[in-house]
Amino acid sequence: SAVISQKPSRDICQRGTSLTIQCQVDSQVTMMFWYRQQPGQSLTLIATANQGSEATYESGFVIDKFPISRPNLTFSTLTVSNMSPEDSSIYLCSVYMRFTTNYGYTFGSGTRLTVV
Amino acid sequence: AQSVTQLDSQVPVFEEAPVELRCNYSSSVSVYLFWYVQYPNQGLQLLLKYLSGSTLVKGINGFEAEFNKSQTSFHLRKPSVHISDTAEYFCAVIPRDNNNDMRFGAGTRLTVKP
Repeated sequence: SAVISQKPSRDICQRGTSLTIQCQVDSQVTMMFWYRQQPGQSLTLIATANQGSEATYESGFVIDKFPISRPNLTFSTLTVSNMSPEDSSIYLCSVYMRFTTNYGYTFGSGTRLTVV
Repeated sequence: AQSVTQLDSQVPVFEEAPVELRCNYSSSVSVYLFWYVQYPNQGLQLLLKYLSGSTLVKGINGFEAEFNKSQTSFHLRKPSVHISDTAEYFCAVIPRDNNNDMRFGAGTRLTVKP
């Protein structure tokens, strides 16, 4: 199955600043996904990132707030812009592996963001 | 669109007791079903999945789940839990015709007491 390295694992940021989260996969994947997990909540999909095209955002999420890059088939970044305390969450990247023994979604270890 | 309902937000049990975490889903198409576990301060780890075939699926750490199509359920069970099983458990579904649309339940916090 794919191995995903996500950085940073945690950060404490001042409101109004931005944080870029990196996600590196050890194999080439067409689609990468970014999720947000607010405190005590389930996972909510932010956007789907295809290599070579603009990310597709879910309702309630916009590119100006959560710009995503996908420069190649193994790497993606998510930026949380102009942060407020409401952005305090765990952010996870994920890839979908088809037709493998570990069919399904594999997740990074997450970035725990606290905005003060 | 599909949806997932985890019927219990919190399940406290004593060590070595059996546990069942309930999951029901709704979908107009056939789905794949998954259970993930999230240990404190960690990401999600796949416990088990149902794709096809036998409706009883065995996963890691002694967990198993049974797919019941008529009841649209995929309950997770373990006959004897350990303290180390304390974690958040998420049920998830993917429609077979759109593998890019995974939906998660709200999660069940399993707390195992000594």
